[in-house]
Amino acid sequence: EVVLTQSPGTLSLSPGERATLSCRASQSVSSSHLAWYQQKPGQAPRLLVYGAFSLAAGIPDRFSGSGSGTDFTLIVTRLEPEDFAVYYCQLYGTSPPYIFGQGTKLEI
Amino acid sequence: QVQLQQWGAGLLKASETLSLTCAVHGGSFSGDYWSWIRQSPEKGLEWIGEINHSGNTNYNNYNPSLKSRVTISIDASKKQFSLKLRSVTAADTAVYYCARAPLMYFFALDIWGQGTVVTVSS
Repeated sequence: EVVLTQSPGTLSLSPGERATLSCRASQSVSSSHLAWYQQKPGQAPRLLVYGAFSLAAGIPDRFSGSGSGTDFTLIVTRLEPEDFAVYYCQLYGTSPPYIFGQGTKLEI
Repeated sequence: QVQLQQWGAGLLKASETLSLTCAVHGGSFSGDYWSWIRQSPEKGLEWIGEINHSGNTNYNNYNPSLKSRVTISIDASKKQFSLKLRSVTAADTAVYYCARAPLMYFFALDIWGQGTVVTVSS
């Protein structure tokens, strides 16, 4: 079973800065099946990126995804106050179970 | 715009059966996958399983770690899908979410229910 490891565990930045979040798979995976989610306290996760680099509807273009093989990245340029949350990567759509990473907390 | 509304019992005793239902409001029901996910401080986000309804056929996938205790079913006439988890223990205490996994997003989870807190007491 593939394991997704996210780093760092916590990222402390300020509004206006750039955030770089990493998701590493224990073996090569299809980029078509890598997603990123944002979760705020008391809310369900929100889909940001699917297929490693495609933005979901309504997601601002300061979010971008990239990567292939075992290494994937979510970048948030020009952080807004509402971007401070927990971010998860997920592998889905291939052989179940569709696993999640452990999350990166983006804090002010 | 598709919305998911979920409900079910939030407090269970060990060995009972967890039962949750998710109603799909708006949009099409066929073709997409409909999933259950849970979240706990101990395990983080954990995918439970999914169901796809196409024509008169249902397709299921389950997390192998839960497969022996889980059943996900669908009532297409009501646009609802349900989760049953048998023989619960304290380890099943979590927030449970239903979600849609549409083909347009390569089956990533784009619409989520509001979540149901389930607590299992011993």
